[in-house]
Amino acid sequence: DAGITQSPRHKVTETGTPVTLRCHQTENHRYMYWYRQDPGHGLRLIHYSYGVKDTDKGEVSDGYSVSRSKTEDFLLTLESATSSQTSVYFCAISEEAGKGYTFGSGTRLTVV
Amino acid sequence: SQQGEEDPQALSIQEGENATMNCSYKTSINNLQWYRQNSGRGLVHLILIRSNEREKHSGRLRVTLDTSKKSSSLLITASRAADTASYFCATAFNSKLTFGKGITLSVRP
Repeated sequence: DAGITQSPRHKVTETGTPVTLRCHQTENHRYMYWYRQDPGHGLRLIHYSYGVKDTDKGEVSDGYSVSRSKTEDFLLTLESATSSQTSVYFCAISEEAGKGYTFGSGTRLTVV
Repeated sequence: SQQGEEDPQALSIQEGENATMNCSYKTSINNLQWYRQNSGRGLVHLILIRSNEREKHSGRLRVTLDTSKKSSSLLITASRAADTASYFCATAFNSKLTFGKGITLSVRP
């Protein structure tokens, strides 16, 4: 999607290993979000950021941490991956709070 | 949780027919948004309706919002095979969007 990229697109990792997913935007939007999408659950918010070094937890934040050291990058880290974190992870950006989001193409993470 | 709940969960229609999808939610909102997701892709924003609006149009899309009933509907007129996708409603409150589980729409050629 234009203006927002996620990397990697696919990753397989072993239980207990740390994993970092990257979201990069070129839109200079203030708000950035990490969601996970699982069958039967829809999209659930993990963490979000409302500015550089300003982050807050979402509804499923346990086992995840985030960092935003510059406007364009929002990193999601799984400190010690578990099989329950196998999911598709989406990053989204928004110019203003409550406005429409632009989503990345997602990262499919498999924890074995 | 103020997660929206879409209804029906799945909908199959013939090309050219209209598709109506419903969303209900539980708490106060600033606005309500609808998104589309094609298989294997990210979500795409379709339309936003503010809490003080009752109806909004965008091309073949018509969205209504009834805050007294805490419900919204998305109407896609003259559907096309390319409209086949999952559709999600999302409620906005306090800087965050909360998504429903989605509706799978299949449009048969």
